[in-house]
Amino acid sequence: DQQVKQNSPSLSVQEGRISILNCDYTNSMFDYFLWYKKYPAEGPTFLISISSIKDKNEDGRFTVFLNKSAKHLSLHIVPSQPGDSAVYFCAASIANTGNQFYFGTGTSLTVIP
Amino acid sequence: GAVVSQHPSRVICKSGTSVKIECRSLDFQATTMFWYRQFPKKSLMLMATSNEGSKATYEQGVEKDKFLINHASLTLSTLTVTSAHPEDSSFYICSARGTSGNYNEQFFGPGTRLTVL
Repeated sequence: DQQVKQNSPSLSVQEGRISILNCDYTNSMFDYFLWYKKYPAEGPTFLISISSIKDKNEDGRFTVFLNKSAKHLSLHIVPSQPGDSAVYFCAASIANTGNQFYFGTGTSLTVIP
Repeated sequence: GAVVSQHPSRVICKSGTSVKIECRSLDFQATTMFWYRQFPKKSLMLMATSNEGSKATYEQGVEKDKFLINHASLTLSTLTVTSAHPEDSSFYICSARGTSGNYNEQFFGPGTRLTVL
């Protein structure tokens, strides 16, 4: 059963515009969320995370928003750059348990120059 | 930053042979390492969690006798795919969690592409 879902398998955005990637989860025990970026044939690289005590975390061009009541998080990239083209995975976990990350199925972002 | 390496990056083998994949934390000690598998256009699925010096914990549906995991030191975990078959062809990724710092962080290796003929 997929506990973390990314319903958009792909997204195309013009360079300079905002990219919004969405993620939904079902397990209310999740309290730590992460976004990873992945290029083909490479491992995921960490982008940004957010704890459930916050509803927003910003790091440069990347901002993650968390809506706990809706069990929804989103990643905003602004302005989008061609180098941002990759597959983005959201992941959820239960903080401080050392337990696994549950990954979404990924969204392939293409930023058009 | 924390670096995790995997070796080999890709391997092609004949059906029935065994393949060993190494996962190393290069600049930190990892008490826990995770092994994931990714099918095309699918999510990363956790196969097992290995803690240094103890037996790995396998996820439901993962055959422990087929996917042997050893975590003999704080910097090395190995995954051996025994008697590999074409359906084992996949992208295998390990991640490691350090002994200090943010307990919630995992650092991922670059992955190993296994193709079984």
